[in-house]
Amino acid sequence: GESVGLHLPTLSVQEGDNSIINCAYSNSASDYFIWYKQESGKGPQFIIDIRSNMDKRQGQRVTVLLNKTVKHLSLQIAATQPGDSAVYFCAENAGNMLTFGGGTRLMVKP
Amino acid sequence: DAGVIQSPRHEVTEMGQEVTLRCKPISGHNSLFWYRQTMMRGLELLIYFNNNVPIDDSGMPEDRFSAKMPNASFSTLKIQPSEPRDSAVYFCASSSSSYNSPLHFGNGTRLTVT
Repeated sequence: GESVGLHLPTLSVQEGDNSIINCAYSNSASDYFIWYKQESGKGPQFIIDIRSNMDKRQGQRVTVLLNKTVKHLSLQIAATQPGDSAVYFCAENAGNMLTFGGGTRLMVKP
Repeated sequence: DAGVIQSPRHEVTEMGQEVTLRCKPISGHNSLFWYRQTMMRGLELLIYFNNNVPIDDSGMPEDRFSAKMPNASFSTLKIQPSEPRDSAVYFCASSSSSYNSPLHFGNGTRLTVT
């Protein structure tokens, strides 16, 4: 993913709705993908990962989908809560080097 | 598990001064990474170590930046002399040695160079 500079894409959702955050990755050789959540003043926090031999993986309230054909990754958050408000980063790993996308800001409206 | 510990949390210094950032990785993790985060460039990998040995420092901006890992539980990132454009949040992360294992980040050091 490319850095988006000063303007992070923002997704605004109503509390209780589902959220879908998308990420396009660049390296077709990437074989491992991670989603991170970053709250203000904190470091990125691991949410969920997926290897390239899978196309879906579920965690607690989160699901990651991988489409290798179009090099697309998505994070689905079920029943979004105010505590989910943060910046979300996807990261791709090729050759044990992790490269981060520019991030998406999720805002949850009460 | 205390997580990755970084110090200081905030550092304000004047241009030309030396700055040293510190990191204690998670015990048992064999790989350590230094990242820099800015609004303009996002998260950039500066350098990473495996078993205390620097593997890739191609992200280090210039010779003013240096990093060391004298043992498995401690690493430093030094900037000498510092410049205003070095202002950023610097993160340290660690991971286990197994291939495709996630990075665990510290809470960063916010550096301001005036």
